[in-house]
Amino acid sequence: DAKTTQPTSMDCAEGRAANLPCNHSTISGNEYVYWYRQIHSQGPQYIIHGLKNNETNEMASLIITEDRKSSTLILPHATLRDTAVYYCIVRVVNQFYFGTGTSLTVIP
Amino acid sequence: DAGVIQSPRHEVTEMGQEVTLRCKPISGHNSLFWYRQTMMRGLELLIYFNNNVPIDDSGMPEDRFSAKMPNASFSTLKIQPSEPRDSAVYFCASSPSGSYQPQHFGDGTRLSIL
Repeated sequence: DAKTTQPTSMDCAEGRAANLPCNHSTISGNEYVYWYRQIHSQGPQYIIHGLKNNETNEMASLIITEDRKSSTLILPHATLRDTAVYYCIVRVVNQFYFGTGTSLTVIP
Repeated sequence: DAGVIQSPRHEVTEMGQEVTLRCKPISGHNSLFWYRQTMMRGLELLIYFNNNVPIDDSGMPEDRFSAKMPNASFSTLKIQPSEPRDSAVYFCASSPSGSYQPQHFGDGTRLSIL
């Protein structure tokens, strides 16, 4: 049901770029890709979303492949506060299927 | 700006009791969503409203669960009677109208049924 596949966990050194991959090979032409993160005991936090073009905001960059079957979330300079579970989501109508996400640990 | 506000933040009650969770969406947002998160099942959508009207409640686990949205600034999720397996974190989210708009989540209600 999740429609996306992500690695279970990743580590990243503090100050380095964190690149989180996501596969969504069954995505339809009008479905957006969304990224959220969840820090323990808090609600999911919206990061970024895109359709086919690369997107950048103050938090991150989103790179979507030309065939739209995969994407990468980039946190350019990871800090300890970026340690969280990151969810890649393909929206189906109004439903977000969160899947299990990637647990990112930023190491000092 | 105020985000999505949920209350209470924590609720502990005995099985059989009625539980009411409350949500105030972000002002101007037309869609409201209720989710439940458990270790076993992750984040699951229970129900969502558009312009105060329930659109899809297929995720509501059973008749013990009900949700209402009497106006654009308030929604409730009620469990009656509650059971220990209902213990979870319940999140409310809201979004502006438009199928591509992101949802913004509250900090959740941690519910424990003893």
